[in-house]
Amino acid sequence: GAVVSQHPSRVICKSGTSVKIECRSLDFQATTMFWYRQFPKKSLMLMATSNEGSKATYEQGVEKDKFLINHASLTLSTLTVTSAHPEDSSFYICSARDVRATSETQYFGPGTRLLVL
Amino acid sequence: GNSVTQMEGPVTLSEEAFLTINCTYTATGYPSLFWYVQYPGEGLQLLLKATKADDKGSNKGFEATYRKETTSFHLEKGSVQVSDSAVYFCALGGFQKLVFGTGTRLLVSP
Repeated sequence: GAVVSQHPSRVICKSGTSVKIECRSLDFQATTMFWYRQFPKKSLMLMATSNEGSKATYEQGVEKDKFLINHASLTLSTLTVTSAHPEDSSFYICSARDVRATSETQYFGPGTRLLVL
Repeated sequence: GNSVTQMEGPVTLSEEAFLTINCTYTATGYPSLFWYVQYPGEGLQLLLKATKADDKGSNKGFEATYRKETTSFHLEKGSVQVSDSAVYFCALGGFQKLVFGTGTRLLVSP
């Protein structure tokens, strides 16, 4: 149980294009999903908290117009990197909290590696 | 604010050696504590957790005890295997967010 998927697992795009990454909770409902960015050999940096049916809450320093987040259902959140540039190349990981959870346990997706040329 | 400090890696061990990865935290209130593991090229997997002081989380031979008096949650395993090679993250939960340590890479050789 508590499986989170991400699609695509890898994506290569040209500079200036937009890329959409999907995060799905497969066997549970998630009112809250989280988007992280991980730099090589570094820890995870929380980018934003995505709440179903409302606007995402972005962490300080994260450009909300560049990283568009939509959480349209209890099982799907999307992150769109708009007008991607090489510095946006990174490993993006989502996580989800089960609506029935009584603790802060988050279940993580396998990650999406983005390479912007 | 909340923060987590982990020992720097890499930690290099031979198979069947004893493992300790130190983790200390600073937090307000009574957060939950977690260890996550990340295998190469993959996302994070929850390894174990503890939700209150003196709780011991355990899974796959790993264990960690929530020590409020020393604000620590050290990860231990009695006998590591090559397949345990990964990056281990200590995390603290509070106000719906997780705060992660910088991760400790474990390398186990045969």
